[in-house]
Amino acid sequence: NAGVTQTPKFQVLKTGQSMTLQCAQDMNHEYMSWYRQDPGMGLRLIHYSVGAGITDQGEVPNGYNVSRSTTEDFPLRLLSAAPSQTSVYFCASSYSSSGTKYEQYFGPGTRLTVT
Amino acid sequence: AQRVTQPEKLLSVFKGAPVELKCNYSYSGSPELFWYVQYSRQRLQLLLRHISRESIKGFTADLNKGETSFHLKKPFAQEEDSAMYYCALSGPGNQFYFGTGTSLTVIP
Repeated sequence: NAGVTQTPKFQVLKTGQSMTLQCAQDMNHEYMSWYRQDPGMGLRLIHYSVGAGITDQGEVPNGYNVSRSTTEDFPLRLLSAAPSQTSVYFCASSYSSSGTKYEQYFGPGTRLTVT
Repeated sequence: AQRVTQPEKLLSVFKGAPVELKCNYSYSGSPELFWYVQYSRQRLQLLLRHISRESIKGFTADLNKGETSFHLKKPFAQEEDSAMYYCALSGPGNQFYFGTGTSLTVIP
């Protein structure tokens, strides 16, 4: 299994540009999430999904869109990039079984710089 | 509201000394808590979770519901333990709430 994969690893955007960060997992996990990691702020949840076709907002959703058309893929779209979106973005997936919640598996991250 | 607090942003200990990384939480239900570790420029990986009550790389963590704490402990720190540590809580819909992290440096 490849686990959770993310592309690209690095990206530089100009203010106002749009782009999509890709995330895929091959573990058949129903839950997927996007986080941003900023110094001193820890990981903050952007959007999450509890299954294909279902998404919801997290703590910092503004400026980002997501969709979940398949179990495997959970892309994150930046609509109009701003310097405040400079960050490291992590995708994660997880599952539950018989009421027990299991840990999140993280991707390698995408380092985004907006100039 | 769910919240995870890690009061120490930075923690330095000498090799061989005990280490304790603090984590407090607020959650109205029965919490499921985790510790994640992130080595330099790597992805986050699970260190341990409270329901398994296991020891990983010499680390242990006990859930104290009375004090709403889940502190991470290791009796003898090693240089390879230097990393960023995040405490996390799993809430409704399998949302995870992370603390702001503690950067641990083990001094040789």
